[in-house]
Amino acid sequence: GQQVMQIPQYQHVQEGEDFTTYCNSSTTLSNIQWYKQRPGGHPVFLIQLVKSGEVKKQKRLTFQFGEAKKNSSLHITATQTTDVGTYFCAGRSAGKSTFGDGTTLTVKP
Amino acid sequence: GAVVSQHPSRVICKSGTSVKIECRSLDFQATTMFWYRQFPKQSLMLMATSNEGSKATYEQGVEKDKFLINHASLTLSTLTVTSAHPEDSSFYICSARISADTQYFGPGTRLTVL
Repeated sequence: GQQVMQIPQYQHVQEGEDFTTYCNSSTTLSNIQWYKQRPGGHPVFLIQLVKSGEVKKQKRLTFQFGEAKKNSSLHITATQTTDVGTYFCAGRSAGKSTFGDGTTLTVKP
Repeated sequence: GAVVSQHPSRVICKSGTSVKIECRSLDFQATTMFWYRQFPKQSLMLMATSNEGSKATYEQGVEKDKFLINHASLTLSTLTVTSAHPEDSSFYICSARISADTQYFGPGTRLTVL
């Protein structure tokens, strides 16, 4: 079945450093979504990518969808303490959505 | 941002009983709502897509007779866990979609089945 692997599982950075999480699917995706969940909070939808090679930006966040539509990345430039949380990707393929296990980001001030 | 509420926030029930969870979009209309499960310290699992006025679309492996979804209006979707058992204990979260690029999550419902 479809598998979505997300790496790294944990990332600790100093405030101001960049951060990237990667999502890799075993199958070609029709779309991929990214979410953020703060500790003790509910998920927040960040973005959906649909097109091959698509790149979208939200302030310091840059989202990419691979040319083969099997991988994606989320990059945060100059992390801030407000960026802490777990970032999940969810890939959709053959009518099924599969979430990655998430990357938990901690930021040291 | 827009507000999505869930009720109840927490419920404890006996095995064999049914539990209904409500998801409401408070300040916008949502033709599409989603239901998820989340186990402690784990990722999310999409259970079903709820469309106003039509039958829900369930993800593979999710029993539609076990998890009844009704989306009777543009602001309300309900999830009923029928004949609940301890393995159904989980955190159930809904989200409401405004557009392909915008959806808002509810605060979740913690279900504990004894």
